[in-house]
Amino acid sequence: IQMTQSPSTLSASVGDRVTITCRASQSISTWLAWYQQKPGKAPDLLIYKASTLENGVPSRFRGTGSGTEFTLTIDGLRPDDSASYYCQAYNAYWTFGQGTKVEIK
Amino acid sequence: EVQLVESGGGLVRPGGSLRLSCAASRFTFSTYDMHWVRQATGKGLEWVSGIGSRGDTYYPDSVKGRFNISRENAGNSLSLQMHSLIVEDTAVYYCVRGRRSMGFDSWGQGILVTVSS
Repeated sequence: IQMTQSPSTLSASVGDRVTITCRASQSISTWLAWYQQKPGKAPDLLIYKASTLENGVPSRFRGTGSGTEFTLTIDGLRPDDSASYYCQAYNAYWTFGQGTKVEIK
Repeated sequence: EVQLVESGGGLVRPGGSLRLSCAASRFTFSTYDMHWVRQATGKGLEWVSGIGSRGDTYYPDSVKGRFNISRENAGNSLSLQMHSLIVEDTAVYYCVRGRRSMGFDSWGQGILVTVSS
C-alpha cells in the first residue's frame, strides 16, 4: 500500500483552518492514524481509526475519511501546531505518508 | 507513563552489523506488539520491523533478510539486529509500542545509527 500526502508543506496564519489530505493506493477502511512531530522530537499519536482523537489531543484536531481518502483538519491553527504531520495506514503492514510540514505565517 | 529507551546506536562501516536494544517499562510489555521506525535526517518516517506479542515478525522489503527483530518478554526488552548495513540505513531509529486498533501509541526518544566509511 502506498500513502500519498498533500501538500508537502503549507503556510497558514494563526486562527486559520488547515486541511491535510492522505490518499491510500487501495482501501484501508478506517485503519488510518495521524501523527504530529516537532523538530528533534519523536512523533506523537494524534488520531487513530481515521477519526478517534487520542487522549489529551485538543478538539481542534479532526480526522475524517474512509477507504482511500482521508483528511486531517486543524480548526483554529495555533502557534504550537507548527510541526510535521504524517498519516499511517495500519490495516496489514504499516506505511507512512511522506509528511506535511505546517508553518505559521 | 510508558518508557521506551533505545541503546546501541553509533557509527558502523558499510557492510557491517549493529544491534539496537530497547528497554521497556511501566506497561505489560509481553502483551503488546512492538516495532522499529526510522527517520533519516530531514526525511519522513519509515517502518522497518514489527513483532507481535506472540513473536510473529514483520518486515518491509527494504530490510527483509538484513534486519532481525526479537523480543525478550522476561526482561522487557526489544532488539533489532542489523546486518549488511548500507549508507541508506543511516537514520534515527525509534522503538515504538503498537496497538492493532490504534497504530503506534508510544515512542522512544530515538537513537542515531550512522553507516559511513
